[in-house]
Amino acid sequence: AQSVTQPDIHITVSEGASLELRCNYSYGATPYLFWYVQSPGQGLQLLLKYFSGDTLVQGIKGFEAEFKRSQSSFNLRKPSVHWSDAAEYFCAVREDYKLSFGAGTTVTVRA
Amino acid sequence: DVKVTQSSRYLVKRTGEKVFLECVQDMDHENMFWYRQDPGLGLRLIYFSYDVKMKEKGDIPEGYSVSREKKERFSLILESASTNQTSMYLCASTPSVQNQPQHFGDGTRLSIL
Repeated sequence: AQSVTQPDIHITVSEGASLELRCNYSYGATPYLFWYVQSPGQGLQLLLKYFSGDTLVQGIKGFEAEFKRSQSSFNLRKPSVHWSDAAEYFCAVREDYKLSFGAGTTVTVRA
Repeated sequence: DVKVTQSSRYLVKRTGEKVFLECVQDMDHENMFWYRQDPGLGLRLIYFSYDVKMKEKGDIPEGYSVSREKKERFSLILESASTNQTSMYLCASTPSVQNQPQHFGDGTRLSIL
């Protein structure tokens, strides 16, 4: 069965600084990978997705992620963080039509 | 635009009550899901449905049941609510096409007293 690991439970970053969130997956075939963001009290919003092709994918809100098959990773990045990026971020892998989620990374943005 | 609507944002019930959480999607998606979300545990799948009247257990089905009488509606039922079912519940839907994401509702924060 597939699994997803997000090694960082909590990250604090200064506004304007860069952000990288780590995600490692365990899956035998070509994975369908996703990053979601959850603001406090809200549902999950899709940031970006990877299925095939270019390993660097662009998403909404200025986020991007890079798929590295050799490292089984799909890390999320943003060059310059805004205060509104404070949220919880989830990496997920799809098998059939089910998703397996990582435990999430909470991002705090300091002024 | 995709819309998944959960009937309640906040719900408070008592131990032993039968609780219904409702979810409706307007995208004609075949697949619908119920998750619960707890701090440090991420999202855990309770049940999912891949067609009307069809259901399959997820990772943590104990204490829950589901109903899908119509394609657009997927209900989660707590037969006899217990305090350990206090949680955030999220509904999602997705089409059967492999390369599509799941779309989520805003969640229901359920407290069992």
